[in-house]
Amino acid sequence: DSGVTQTPKHLITATGQRVTLRCSPRSGDLSVYWYQQSLDQGLQFLIQYYNGEERAKGNILERFSAQQFPDLHSELNLSSLELGDSALYFCASSLSSPNTEAFFGQGTRLTVV
Amino acid sequence: AQTVTQSQPEMSVQEAETVTLSCTYDTSENNYYLFWYKQPPSRQMILVIRQEAYKQQNATENRFSVNFQKAAKSFSLKISDSQLGDTAMYFCAFINLQGAQKLVFGQGTRLTINP
Repeated sequence: DSGVTQTPKHLITATGQRVTLRCSPRSGDLSVYWYQQSLDQGLQFLIQYYNGEERAKGNILERFSAQQFPDLHSELNLSSLELGDSALYFCASSLSSPNTEAFFGQGTRLTVV
Repeated sequence: AQTVTQSQPEMSVQEAETVTLSCTYDTSENNYYLFWYKQPPSRQMILVIRQEAYKQQNATENRFSVNFQKAAKSFSLKISDSQLGDTAMYFCAFINLQGAQKLVFGQGTRLTINP
């Protein structure tokens, strides 16, 4: 167990809908990272937060947004969902930035139908 | 932009054999870390080993060791005495310690250990 908790584990939703993925980092970790893993594109970095502030942005679509709350948990919001958004979404946390040792959650499997 | 390349999509070896997974990366920076992550069928991403670019000594963790060639930008993973539990996807990853500091992954190598 990495100590990083992601909910839900599985999510099935229809195109056009909006979903929220939640991540609770390890106790004491200030940095949270979101990654998307799809079959044809490997692991893609989406966004990083450090102690509530956005630190780095990757190939995150405009339909996607994220935030980190004062208790350090993070949420990734995906809207106007398309079939191509189906993927495994990982959250990772680390004590500091950069993530010299990042611990990953078990991921949320999103299926858009 | 930093890129990480794993040229072996799949590998298969017999239990107890030694296997080496290849990884090359591209960066113009000098201060960075390299990682190997393992993703078993459970989907969990597990850190296997880490190498700081400023260290000349290759990192080792029990049966896992790396061959870090900074000039060649090469970072291979050697697994000795392979075990059935080593069957997984292995990802090489890179992070620059300046700038965006995002963890960039290679496409992965699917490793199968056969009994």
